[in-house]
Amino acid sequence: QSALTQPASVSGSPGQSITISCTGTSGDIGTFKLVSWYQFHPGAGPKLIIYEVNKRPSGVSDRFSASKSGNTASLTISGLQAEDEADYFCCSYAGFATVIFGGGTKVTVL
Amino acid sequence: QVQLQESGPGLVKPSETLSLTCNVSGVSVTNDTYYWSWIRQPPGRGLEWIGYIYYTETTGSNPSLKSRVTISLDTSKNHFSLKLTSVTAADTAVYYCARFPAGSRWFFDLWGRGTSVTVSS
Repeated sequence: QSALTQPASVSGSPGQSITISCTGTSGDIGTFKLVSWYQFHPGAGPKLIIYEVNKRPSGVSDRFSASKSGNTASLTISGLQAEDEADYFCCSYAGFATVIFGGGTKVTVL
Repeated sequence: QVQLQESGPGLVKPSETLSLTCNVSGVSVTNDTYYWSWIRQPPGRGLEWIGYIYYTETTGSNPSLKSRVTISLDTSKNHFSLKLTSVTAADTAVYYCARFPAGSRWFFDLWGRGTSVTVSS
């Protein structure tokens, strides 16, 4: 299993929208509707922000949205805010009761 | 309020066994709604899923680590544990415990804050 591919960094100005891609294979993202996204703030426990491709847990801002097409999933943050500055990781079910994560993307709010 | 908290030594010698515990509060580890999992992040790298355990003691693990990983439950203490044998510097990482819902849903809805483990002599 190779890690899902994410850009190392993405940046945007407050109010803008940014999109983080997460590329896998036909053995994970391409087959299963089981992509999730996590936000990591330094010093805090990781937080689930998207599950099952595009569902938001209760309490997560609707500025976070996600989708997938083929072997690539995407997370969009709209109306970027300073508090969105964090690391973001994607994750996909990869069959045979295993999961695989991405390498992570550092989001910087300029 | 449900919380997960990792504990264990921060320093392990090469070739020895890394042992960590995840203390669970607010929900029983025997709750059939959840699986319990370990995930790690080596310095400067992405996340790596290690494995899981269910209340039935069914386990699963990352094929790349399978031969070295043991995950167990202690229902009397409401915690679950990770043992990783024959560690090397490559096992240096922040280790997280997390839970995911049963029913083949495969997302981690609650995490601990993580504990840093360094493998060094």
